[in-house]
Amino acid sequence: DAGVIQSPRHEVTEMGQEVTLRCKPISGHNSLFWYRQTMMRGLELLIYFNNNVPIDDSGMPEDRFSAKMPNASFSTLKIQPSEPRDSAVYFCASSYDRSQETQYFGPGTRLLVL
Amino acid sequence: AQKVTQAQTEISVVEKEDVTLDCVYETRDTTYYLFWYKQPPSGELVFLIRRNSFDEQNEISGRYSWNFQKSTSSFNFTITASQVVDSAVYFCALSEGDRDDKIIFGKGTRLHILP
Repeated sequence: DAGVIQSPRHEVTEMGQEVTLRCKPISGHNSLFWYRQTMMRGLELLIYFNNNVPIDDSGMPEDRFSAKMPNASFSTLKIQPSEPRDSAVYFCASSYDRSQETQYFGPGTRLLVL
Repeated sequence: AQKVTQAQTEISVVEKEDVTLDCVYETRDTTYYLFWYKQPPSGELVFLIRRNSFDEQNEISGRYSWNFQKSTSSFNFTITASQVVDSAVYFCALSEGDRDDKIIFGKGTRLHILP
């Protein structure tokens, strides 16, 4: 199995630009999670989907962030417009079912907003 | 509310020493799950173990062992005969079993194994 796939691995953009992060979960997993990791705040859950439906988006910082999961094999996290404080590593993870099962993480996208 | 505390922010030990990483959790549920993840310098998060609240047996996997004690709400992780490759940030995490609840990660413990 290829594991969770994230793209791009690195993204550098200027403040105000739109950023789209992509994730392909492990085949057969029906829960998908987006996390953000910073030195100050550690690992934060932004949103998670179960069977393509957003279950909890209370961790999404503000309206500039949006996430979609149009099908079982693809999800996007979009930031529009981006700000320097959005600079972080964004991880996608998937699990067989809900958060009680083991989550397997992608390699992360390192985002730098200038 | 669920909470995970990793009181040790950073630990340094000399290679071949044993080291224990502490994890204390809080939950009101009787059904819950505990996890440990490793984040090496390369940045990925690697799953190490999952344990449910009904299984208090200690687990050993090679040089790694875990001590789960419900009486003290702790799920500690010990590395025996540490190696430089064990240098990483280690995260403990908790998920409650009966609801669509979040998995909560501790702040992590940064472990340095010195040659």
